[in-house]
Amino acid sequence: QSVLTQPPSASGAPGQRVTISCSGSSSNIGAGYDVHWYQQFPGTAPKFVIYGNNNRPSGVPDRFSGSKSGSSASLAITGLQAEDEADYYCQSYDSSLSRSVFGTGTKVTVL
Amino acid sequence: EVQLVESGGGLVQPGGSLRLSCAASEFTVSSNYMSWVRQAPGKGLEWVSVIYRDGSSDYADSVKGRFTISRDNSKNTLYLQMNSLTTEDTAMYYCAREYRYDSGSWFDPWGQGTLVTVSS
Repeated sequence: QSVLTQPPSASGAPGQRVTISCSGSSSNIGAGYDVHWYQQFPGTAPKFVIYGNNNRPSGVPDRFSGSKSGSSASLAITGLQAEDEADYYCQSYDSSLSRSVFGTGTKVTVL
Repeated sequence: EVQLVESGGGLVQPGGSLRLSCAASEFTVSSNYMSWVRQAPGKGLEWVSVIYRDGSSDYADSVKGRFTISRDNSKNTLYLQMNSLTTEDTAMYYCAREYRYDSGSWFDPWGQGTLVTVSS
């Protein structure tokens, strides 16, 4: 029972821009807690691509960017590449549950 | 290199028990918050448990009373003792270091995962 809601899928042609939304509530994203994004390839562990809403760890291409507004956040991938095809999860902290919470996950397909 | 390596997964019958291990390298488990996160086949990520620096712990409602998180400081290893397993516990189990700060928390690094299958 995920607390954060994401669209199940998103797609785009190579070179296009894809945006993934992450909808929360007043006890998590809306309460001011940061949002982080993870990329997961089949059979591998998640790896974070955005931390603190809009920061990229070293080694993550600058075509990945994040934003947050109100109770929602977004991950954008510009200049989509075949290697970006993966599952993406948002994650935040929920004060009413007193624990970290994950999004439902979005499968990105490169057409 | 900072890394986590899980072990201990396998096939177990409903009602059985299993203990997962997670060995850490290049950082100290007891100085960090450490969590277990699981992923059922074809499903999303679910936080399972955390152990805090002071040794206290917390659990998801779905495992409370059945799972116990612990650590061995001398071995720099995290554990998850799982009892009364049901088919709903079938999942890949990941350990991860959790950074918790005023504005939230994130998980990094993650282990490679260990698969737990509960089936008769």
